[in-house]
Amino acid sequence: DAKTTQPPSMDCAEGRAANLPCNHSTISGNEYVYWYRQIHSQGPQYIIHGLKNNETNEMASLIITEDRKSSTLILPHATLRDTAVYYCIVRVAGFTGTASKLTFGTGTRLQVTL
Amino acid sequence: DTAVSQTPKYLVTQMGNDKSIKCEQNLGHDTMYWYKQDSKKFLKIMFSYNNKELIINETVPNRFSPKSPDKAHLNLHINSLELGDSAVYFCASSQGHAETQYFGPGTRLLVL
Repeated sequence: DAKTTQPPSMDCAEGRAANLPCNHSTISGNEYVYWYRQIHSQGPQYIIHGLKNNETNEMASLIITEDRKSSTLILPHATLRDTAVYYCIVRVAGFTGTASKLTFGTGTRLQVTL
Repeated sequence: DTAVSQTPKYLVTQMGNDKSIKCEQNLGHDTMYWYKQDSKKFLKIMFSYNNKELIINETVPNRFSPKSPDKAHLNLHINSLELGDSAVYFCASSQGHAETQYFGPGTRLLVL
Protein backbone atom coordinates (compact mmCIF):
# COMPACT_ATOMS: atom_id res chain seq x y z
CA ASP A 1 0.00 0.00 0.00
CA ALA A 2 1.17 3.51 -0.82
CA LYS A 3 2.56 5.34 2.20
CA THR A 4 2.06 8.82 0.81
CA THR A 5 -0.81 11.29 0.54
CA GLN A 6 -1.14 13.71 -2.34
CA PRO A 7 -3.89 16.06 -3.48
CA PRO A 8 -5.83 14.47 -6.33
CA SER A 9 -5.46 17.43 -8.68
CA MET A 10 -3.84 20.82 -9.14
CA ASP A 11 -3.79 23.54 -11.75
CA CYS A 12 -0.88 25.73 -12.73
CA ALA A 13 -0.51 28.52 -15.25
CA GLU A 14 2.13 28.03 -17.91
CA GLY A 15 5.40 29.71 -16.99
CA ARG A 16 4.65 29.69 -13.29
CA ALA A 17 6.17 27.38 -10.72
CA ALA A 18 4.20 24.25 -9.93
CA ASN A 19 4.52 23.14 -6.30
CA LEU A 20 3.28 19.61 -5.69
CA PRO A 21 3.01 18.58 -2.04
CA CYS A 22 3.32 15.10 -0.58
CA ASN A 23 2.78 13.83 2.93
CA HIS A 24 4.75 10.82 4.15
CA SER A 25 4.38 11.05 7.90
CA THR A 26 5.34 7.39 8.53
CA ILE A 27 8.54 7.49 6.52
CA SER A 28 11.40 5.44 7.97
CA GLY A 29 14.97 6.61 8.33
CA ASN A 30 16.20 4.48 5.43
CA GLU A 31 13.42 5.39 3.02
CA TYR A 32 13.93 7.76 0.14
CA VAL A 33 11.32 10.01 -1.44
CA TYR A 34 10.95 9.41 -5.17
CA TRP A 35 8.92 11.34 -7.71
CA TYR A 36 7.72 9.95 -11.00
CA ARG A 37 5.25 11.32 -13.48
CA GLN A 38 3.07 9.75 -16.13
CA ILE A 39 2.12 11.76 -19.14
CA HIS A 40 -1.05 10.50 -20.78
CA SER A 41 -0.63 7.05 -22.34
CA GLN A 42 3.12 6.94 -21.68
CA GLY A 43 5.26 4.98 -19.25
CA PRO A 44 6.12 6.55 -15.89
CA GLN A 45 9.09 8.87 -16.05
CA TYR A 46 11.59 9.30 -13.23
CA ILE A 47 11.94 12.91 -12.04
CA ILE A 48 14.00 13.10 -8.88
CA HIS A 49 14.62 11.49 -5.50
CA GLY A 50 16.14 12.41 -2.15
CA LEU A 51 16.75 11.18 1.36
CA LYS A 52 16.85 14.28 3.55
CA ASN A 53 18.68 17.04 1.72
CA ASN A 54 17.02 19.17 -0.90
CA GLU A 55 17.79 18.04 -4.43
CA THR A 56 17.75 19.73 -7.81
CA ASN A 57 18.22 18.44 -11.32
CA GLU A 58 17.39 19.64 -14.81
CA MET A 59 13.73 18.73 -14.41
CA ALA A 60 12.77 19.78 -10.91
CA SER A 61 13.66 20.54 -7.31
CA LEU A 62 12.74 18.44 -4.32
CA ILE A 63 12.31 20.09 -0.95
CA ILE A 64 12.10 17.73 2.04
CA THR A 65 11.11 19.08 5.44
CA GLU A 66 13.54 18.68 8.29
CA ASP A 67 11.39 16.04 10.00
CA ARG A 68 11.05 14.29 6.61
CA LYS A 69 7.31 13.92 7.03
CA SER A 70 6.49 15.87 3.91
CA SER A 71 8.06 17.09 0.71
CA THR A 72 7.36 19.35 -2.24
CA LEU A 73 8.23 18.82 -5.86
CA ILE A 74 8.83 22.08 -7.67
CA LEU A 75 8.68 22.49 -11.42
CA PRO A 76 10.16 25.99 -11.72
CA HIS A 77 8.59 27.04 -15.02
CA ALA A 78 5.73 24.73 -15.89
CA THR A 79 4.86 24.17 -19.53
CA LEU A 80 1.91 22.47 -21.19
CA ARG A 81 4.08 19.39 -21.63
CA ASP A 82 4.30 19.06 -17.86
CA THR A 83 0.61 18.15 -17.70
CA ALA A 84 0.68 14.67 -16.16
CA VAL A 85 -0.04 12.60 -13.08
CA TYR A 86 2.74 13.03 -10.53
CA TYR A 87 3.49 10.24 -8.09
CA CYS A 88 5.29 10.63 -4.80
CA ILE A 89 6.68 7.30 -3.56
CA VAL A 90 8.71 6.34 -0.52
CA ARG A 91 10.92 3.30 -0.72
CA VAL A 92 14.04 1.76 0.72
CA ALA A 93 17.07 2.09 -1.51
CA GLY A 94 20.18 -0.05 -1.58
CA PHE A 95 18.27 -3.16 -0.54
CA THR A 96 17.14 -6.06 -2.65
CA GLY A 97 13.69 -7.23 -1.83
CA THR A 98 10.07 -6.24 -1.55
CA ALA A 99 10.85 -3.28 0.72
CA SER A 100 12.46 -1.50 -2.19
CA LYS A 101 9.62 -1.94 -4.65
CA LEU A 102 7.91 1.09 -6.12
CA THR A 103 4.34 1.33 -4.84
CA PHE A 104 2.35 3.82 -6.86
CA GLY A 105 -0.61 5.58 -5.27
CA THR A 106 -3.17 7.67 -7.07
CA GLY A 107 -0.88 10.67 -7.51
CA THR A 108 -1.68 14.30 -8.31
CA ARG A 109 -3.06 15.19 -11.69
CA LEU A 110 -1.34 18.44 -12.66
CA GLN A 111 -3.04 20.46 -15.36
CA VAL A 112 -0.93 23.25 -16.84
CA THR A 113 -3.00 25.87 -18.60
CA LEU A 114 -2.31 28.83 -20.88
CA ASP B 1 17.53 4.61 -29.42
CA THR B 2 14.76 3.67 -26.99
CA ALA B 3 16.21 2.63 -23.64
CA VAL B 4 13.39 0.27 -22.67
CA SER B 5 11.31 -1.07 -25.54
CA GLN B 6 8.25 -3.29 -25.62
CA THR B 7 6.54 -5.23 -28.36
CA PRO B 8 3.85 -5.20 -29.38
CA LYS B 9 2.51 -1.76 -28.57
CA TYR B 10 -1.08 -2.92 -28.97
CA LEU B 11 -2.48 -6.42 -28.60
CA VAL B 12 -6.11 -7.36 -29.20
CA THR B 13 -7.03 -10.98 -28.67
CA GLN B 14 -9.83 -13.35 -27.74
CA MET B 15 -10.48 -14.85 -24.34
CA GLY B 16 -8.73 -18.14 -23.84
CA ASN B 17 -5.80 -17.36 -26.12
CA ASP B 18 -2.14 -17.41 -25.09
CA LYS B 19 -0.01 -14.36 -25.82
CA SER B 20 3.44 -12.99 -25.11
CA ILE B 21 4.77 -9.50 -24.59
CA LYS B 22 8.47 -8.80 -25.05
CA CYS B 23 10.68 -6.29 -23.30
CA GLU B 24 14.25 -5.30 -24.04
CA GLN B 25 16.50 -2.74 -22.42
CA ASN B 26 19.77 -1.39 -23.76
CA LEU B 27 20.81 0.42 -20.58
CA GLY B 28 23.02 -2.38 -19.33
CA HIS B 29 20.79 -2.80 -16.29
CA ASP B 30 20.68 -6.04 -14.33
CA THR B 31 17.12 -5.80 -12.99
CA MET B 32 13.85 -5.79 -14.90
CA TYR B 33 10.19 -5.53 -13.93
CA TRP B 34 6.67 -5.97 -15.16
CA TYR B 35 3.89 -3.65 -14.00
CA LYS B 36 0.18 -3.70 -14.75
CA GLN B 37 -1.97 -0.57 -15.03
CA ASP B 38 -5.68 -1.31 -14.98
CA SER B 39 -8.60 0.71 -16.29
CA LYS B 40 -8.70 2.75 -13.09
CA LYS B 41 -5.08 3.73 -13.70
CA PHE B 42 -3.67 1.93 -10.67
CA LEU B 43 -0.12 0.89 -11.44
CA LYS B 44 1.06 -2.25 -9.63
CA ILE B 45 4.20 -4.29 -9.78
CA MET B 46 3.82 -7.89 -10.93
CA PHE B 47 7.35 -9.30 -11.12
CA SER B 48 10.93 -8.29 -10.83
CA TYR B 49 14.05 -10.14 -11.96
CA ASN B 50 17.57 -9.42 -10.81
CA ASN B 51 20.32 -11.07 -12.86
CA LYS B 52 17.70 -13.40 -14.31
CA GLU B 53 16.57 -14.45 -10.84
CA LEU B 54 12.98 -13.86 -9.73
CA ILE B 55 12.96 -11.39 -6.84
CA ILE B 56 9.36 -10.23 -6.60
CA ASN B 57 6.21 -12.13 -7.51
CA GLU B 58 3.21 -10.15 -6.37
CA THR B 59 0.44 -12.76 -6.07
CA VAL B 60 -0.05 -12.82 -9.79
CA PRO B 61 -2.09 -15.74 -11.19
CA ASN B 62 0.17 -18.48 -12.46
CA ARG B 63 -1.29 -17.96 -15.93
CA PHE B 64 1.32 -15.20 -16.06
CA SER B 65 4.83 -16.51 -16.53
CA PRO B 66 7.79 -14.18 -16.91
CA LYS B 67 10.88 -15.40 -18.71
CA SER B 68 14.27 -13.75 -18.64
CA PRO B 69 16.57 -15.30 -21.24
CA ASP B 70 19.29 -12.78 -20.39
CA LYS B 71 19.71 -9.60 -18.39
CA ALA B 72 18.57 -7.41 -21.27
CA HIS B 73 15.26 -9.19 -21.87
CA LEU B 74 12.21 -9.96 -19.79
CA ASN B 75 9.23 -11.44 -21.57
CA LEU B 76 5.75 -11.99 -20.19
CA HIS B 77 3.70 -14.95 -21.34
CA ILE B 78 0.02 -15.07 -20.48
CA ASN B 79 -2.00 -18.28 -20.80
CA SER B 80 -5.75 -18.57 -21.11
CA LEU B 81 -6.38 -14.85 -21.31
CA GLU B 82 -9.35 -13.48 -19.40
CA LEU B 83 -11.32 -10.26 -19.79
CA GLY B 84 -9.78 -8.94 -16.57
CA ASP B 85 -6.32 -9.16 -18.08
CA SER B 86 -7.14 -6.16 -20.25
CA ALA B 87 -4.76 -3.45 -19.12
CA VAL B 88 -1.59 -1.63 -20.01
CA TYR B 89 1.54 -3.59 -19.16
CA PHE B 90 4.75 -1.70 -18.51
CA CYS B 91 8.24 -3.06 -18.44
CA ALA B 92 10.95 -1.28 -16.47
CA SER B 93 14.62 -1.73 -15.67
CA SER B 94 17.16 -0.52 -13.14
CA GLN B 95 20.79 -1.05 -12.23
CA GLY B 96 20.38 -2.84 -8.98
CA HIS B 97 17.05 -3.76 -7.51
CA ALA B 98 16.70 -0.74 -5.29
CA GLU B 99 17.78 1.87 -7.77
CA THR B 100 15.93 4.23 -10.08
CA GLN B 101 13.66 2.44 -12.52
CA TYR B 102 13.16 3.42 -16.14
CA PHE B 103 9.94 2.45 -17.86
CA GLY B 104 9.04 1.35 -21.34
CA PRO B 105 6.17 2.81 -23.38
CA GLY B 106 3.67 0.12 -22.43
CA THR B 107 1.72 -2.62 -24.20
CA ARG B 108 -2.01 -2.09 -24.39
CA LEU B 109 -3.73 -5.46 -24.11
CA LEU B 110 -7.41 -5.81 -24.89
CA VAL B 111 -9.08 -9.17 -24.34
CA LEU B 112 -12.43 -9.60 -26.08
